[in-house]
Amino acid sequence: KQEVTQIPAALSVPEGENLVLNCSFTDSAIYNLQWFRQDPGKGLTSLLLIQSSQREQTSGRLNASLDKSSGRSTLYIAASQPGDSATYLCAVNTGTASKLTFGTGTRLQVTL
Amino acid sequence: DTAVSQTPKYLVTQMGNDKSIKCEQNLGHDTMYWYKQDSKKFLKIMFSYNNKELIINETVPNRFSPKSPDKAHLNLHINSLELGDSAVYFCASRGANVLTFGAGSRLTVL
Repeated sequence: KQEVTQIPAALSVPEGENLVLNCSFTDSAIYNLQWFRQDPGKGLTSLLLIQSSQREQTSGRLNASLDKSSGRSTLYIAASQPGDSATYLCAVNTGTASKLTFGTGTRLQVTL
Repeated sequence: DTAVSQTPKYLVTQMGNDKSIKCEQNLGHDTMYWYKQDSKKFLKIMFSYNNKELIINETVPNRFSPKSPDKAHLNLHINSLELGDSAVYFCASRGANVLTFGAGSRLTVL
């Protein structure tokens, strides 16, 4: 059974800092891994999708890496802004039906 | 235009009642999902339908019954509501291996 863990559970940083969010999963037989953002009271917004054959994906100030063999992914956020404050979730796809197993989330607060 | 829309956004009801949450997607996707997010913010899959056929059915009580009248709609009906059913229920659809989520329906059972 796939289990996904995210560390840290919560993080507070001043504006402008670069930061790294961590995600680990127990079963390395994955199809892809997806990072989401969830704002309070809102749905999930997909940020980045990394296929199992890829090592990283970039979108603007976000860079996600994947090390499938060690069961790890990181989300790097450069030059953080208050608007980045949200909960970040990683989700692992381990089946052809895109059955996503979600991590526990990292709640990020970027302060002025 | 909202890609994945759920109604209602909020639902407050008494224990024992039956309620439904509706979901519609206008993305042309074949596969739709229901996820439950509990009070600890943990998201867990409940059901998935592909072109109106059930393909994922996690360990969910029989009181929960999904219905897909067509591939653009996936509704969730819950019978005999219990306190533990209080959560936010998210609908999602899949295209090109990317899931698009609705805004969620917050169910509160009193």
